[in-house]
Amino acid sequence: AQSVTQLDSQVPVFEEAPVELRCNYSSSVSVYLFWYVQYPNQGLQLLLKYLSGSTLVKGINGFEAEFNKSQTSFHLRKPSVHISDTAEYFCAVSVVNTGFQKLVFGTGTRLLVSP
Amino acid sequence: DVKVTQSSRYLVKRTGEKVFLECVQDMDHENMFWYRQDPGLGLRLIYFSYDVKMKEKGDIPEGYSVSREKKERFSLILESASTNQTSMYLCASSLYAPSEATNEKLFFGSGTQLSVL
Repeated sequence: AQSVTQLDSQVPVFEEAPVELRCNYSSSVSVYLFWYVQYPNQGLQLLLKYLSGSTLVKGINGFEAEFNKSQTSFHLRKPSVHISDTAEYFCAVSVVNTGFQKLVFGTGTRLLVSP
Repeated sequence: DVKVTQSSRYLVKRTGEKVFLECVQDMDHENMFWYRQDPGLGLRLIYFSYDVKMKEKGDIPEGYSVSREKKERFSLILESASTNQTSMYLCASSLYAPSEATNEKLFFGSGTQLSVL
């Protein structure tokens, strides 16, 4: 079965600094990869996803992620963060051609952006 | 845009009570999901439904049941609430499974924070 590891439970960063949120996955078969964001008191919304094709994926709000098959990673990056990026970020993985009921979420990384 | 509405933002119940959490989606989605979110554990799937009156257990179904009598509504039921069911509950829906062809995604409600005392 597939699994997801988000090693950092919390990442503090200053406004306008770059940030990388790490995600590693484990699977013996091909996967889809997702990043979701949860702003305070809200549900999750999709930030970006990798299904196939280019390994560099661009999402909403200036975020991007790179799928690295050899390192089984899908790290999320933003070159310059804003206060409004303060949220919890979840990486998720599912095996290709399975439904969302097979989607496995990581434990989340709380991004704290301060002035 | 798709709207997934959870009827209560906060609920406080007593141990042993029967609890209903309601979720409604407005986009005729086939698939609906109930997740539980706990700090340090991420999201865990409780139940999902792929059609009216159809349901399947997720990863942590113990102590829960579900009902889907109408396509737009998916209810989570705690038959006898216990303190270890204190959690944030998230409902989600989708039309299709994820794939390059459908470019599908999950749509989430804003959650119900349940406290069982």
